[in-house]
Amino acid sequence: GENVEQHPSTLSVQEGDSAVIKCTYSDSASNYFPWYKQELGKGPQLIIDIRSNVGEKKDQRIAVTLNKTAKHFSLHITETQPEDSAVYFCAAMRDSSYKLIFGSGTRLLVRP
Amino acid sequence: DAGITQSPRHKVTETGTPVTLRCHQTENHRYMYWYRQDPGHGLRLIHYSYGVKDTDKGEVSDGYSVSRSKTEDFLLTLESATSSQTSVYFCAISQANTEAFFGQGTRLTVV
Repeated sequence: GENVEQHPSTLSVQEGDSAVIKCTYSDSASNYFPWYKQELGKGPQLIIDIRSNVGEKKDQRIAVTLNKTAKHFSLHITETQPEDSAVYFCAAMRDSSYKLIFGSGTRLLVRP
Repeated sequence: DAGITQSPRHKVTETGTPVTLRCHQTENHRYMYWYRQDPGHGLRLIHYSYGVKDTDKGEVSDGYSVSRSKTEDFLLTLESATSSQTSVYFCAISQANTEAFFGQGTRLTVV
């Protein structure tokens, strides 16, 4: 089955700097890769997703890149703000299984 | 916010007792999921459902069972709770290969 590895487990950046979180997946048939943000005491919420037919997607300060050959995808947050501090999860899914498998999470701290 | 309600939100139970967690949705989404969240392990899939009475195992299904007798409800049962099942449990819903919406979570403590 699918296995998703996520790094780093914790990340501390200065406000205004960029943050990058990386994930690798094992199932070459996976074709949907979402990223979720979880704030304290809440359930995860989708912030951006990408499908295997594109290599990059942007939404304001957030971007995701996908390298299908290497089976890895990354989340890029530019101009970080204190409100970006949260736990971020990557996930992977293949169309035929509908199993959404998550990485272990990255705790991002943005220092003012 | 997507209409997902988990109940109870908090529960303390004794080892060996049965426990049922409920996930109720008002969105008519086909897919429903149960995850557990533990420090260092992220979100691990327990079971999921792809329709009424259609369920399948996830990554960590041992000790858990599920049922879905109608579209809106997905029940997670711990037949005989153990301390290793102390965790935060999240329900999620989705349509096919689209955004999954999560509930607020249930904090379960097995003593």
